[in-house]
Amino acid sequence: SQTIHQWPATLVQPVGSPLSLECTVEGTSNPNLYWYRQAAGRGLQLLFYSIGIDQISSEVPQNLSASRPQDRQFILSSKKLLLSDSGFYLCAWRGTLNSPLHFGNGTRLTVT
Amino acid sequence: AQRVTQPEKLLSVFKGAPVELKCNYSYSGSPELFWYVQYSRQRLQLLLRHISRESIKGFTADLNKGETSFHLKKPFAQEEDSAMYYCALSGPGAGSYQLTFGKGTKLSVIP
Repeated sequence: SQTIHQWPATLVQPVGSPLSLECTVEGTSNPNLYWYRQAAGRGLQLLFYSIGIDQISSEVPQNLSASRPQDRQFILSSKKLLLSDSGFYLCAWRGTLNSPLHFGNGTRLTVT
Repeated sequence: AQRVTQPEKLLSVFKGAPVELKCNYSYSGSPELFWYVQYSRQRLQLLLRHISRESIKGFTADLNKGETSFHLKKPFAQEEDSAMYYCALSGPGAGSYQLTFGKGTKLSVIP
């Protein structure tokens, strides 16, 4: 069966520090991968999605970037964190277009 | 552009009362609609999708293309239904890699 792993679960980082959140999927190949940010009152905001290795689409211009160095690995990064980057970040995957998304447990990022 | 609107941020109902969580969408083609649910301290998970036409945990949702709606309904609310509910849309068109979510509705079932 397929599983998705996302880590760390929580992270506290100072302003200006770098960020790296990792997400991996097991039990499937060539998944569509997604990074969302979940904020109270703002719902789920799509940040990036990827349909293949090194194929990244950015939905919202911001202080973040994403990479997919391997088929089942998706990384969310920042060179210098801002206070506004604080939030709950969710990784997700799906096998085919229009199939449901499967979410990871999320990472709670607090930038101080 | 595709858009999903959930007009209610919070919905409170008494146990045993009917529940309707509203969802309206904007999409030019034939979309795929989903409802996702997030219980306290659990990951976001799929509740149901319109093409399955099934009832999950007593919830149903019918796609109304004329009204561009996909409201989630349950005849008798239970306390364990308290959660955050998100309506989502995915289309077969050019933007179909995207899954667009509404802002969510927090359902609170009062004992």
